Amino acid sequence: NAGVTQTPKFQVLKTGQSMTLQCAQDMNHNSMYWYRQDPGMGLRLIYYSASEGTTDKGEVPNGYNVSRLNKREFSLRLESAAPSQTSVYFCASSELYRVDKNIQYFGAGTRLSVL
Amino acid sequence: AQKITQTQPGMFVQEKEAVTLDCTYDTSDQSYGLFWYKQPSSGEMIFLIYQGSYDEQNATEGRYSLNFQKARKSANLVISASQLGDSAMYFCAMREGSYNFNKFYFGSGTKLNVKP
Repeated sequence: NAGVTQTPKFQVLKTGQSMTLQCAQDMNHNSMYWYRQDPGMGLRLIYYSASEGTTDKGEVPNGYNVSRLNKREFSLRLESAAPSQTSVYFCASSELYRVDKNIQYFGAGTRLSVL
Repeated sequence: AQKITQTQPGMFVQEKEAVTLDCTYDTSDQSYGLFWYKQPSSGEMIFLIYQGSYDEQNATEGRYSLNFQKARKSANLVISASQLGDSAMYFCAMREGSYNFNKFYFGSGTKLNVKP
């Protein structure tokens, strides 16, 4: 059981290049998320998808787009990468067990450097 | 205002002793959830424990317990009988609200070092 799988694990981009981070989960969860983690700042939510066909902005959405391709897959796109987007990116998924219990499970992360 | 505050950037604890990691939160919602995650040096995020705002008893999971004080808006993680493998970053997180139940907020983390 793989859980949440992110690709690639590492990526180096030049300023202005574009790329897509891929995420897939095999836990049949409805909700999926993208976070970034910067040193000393914890995780910040970029975008989330409550269910297939819906996406919403999180705390730091500028410079990113997302696609919920199907129930399993949720991709994050950087259209024109900037050095400020150098970070570790985490994908997560969750299921709503009850209205107040919604545990997220994370992928291993993608380390992105923008030069 | 910060939704989640972790005031201890780093802590040391002797192996086999207990340690408390502090977390305070800010929300005006009645329904919310509090979480702790562990991030070892390898980088993955590991779910440890969950406390719902309506849960009357403190959550426990093995050596982990959550000291939930609702009036003080604190959700401290207690690790009993620390082990060397507990050395990691620990993040407190909150999911708030019934309408925005998919929005989560994380604190800046506490780095725990367990000394032999």
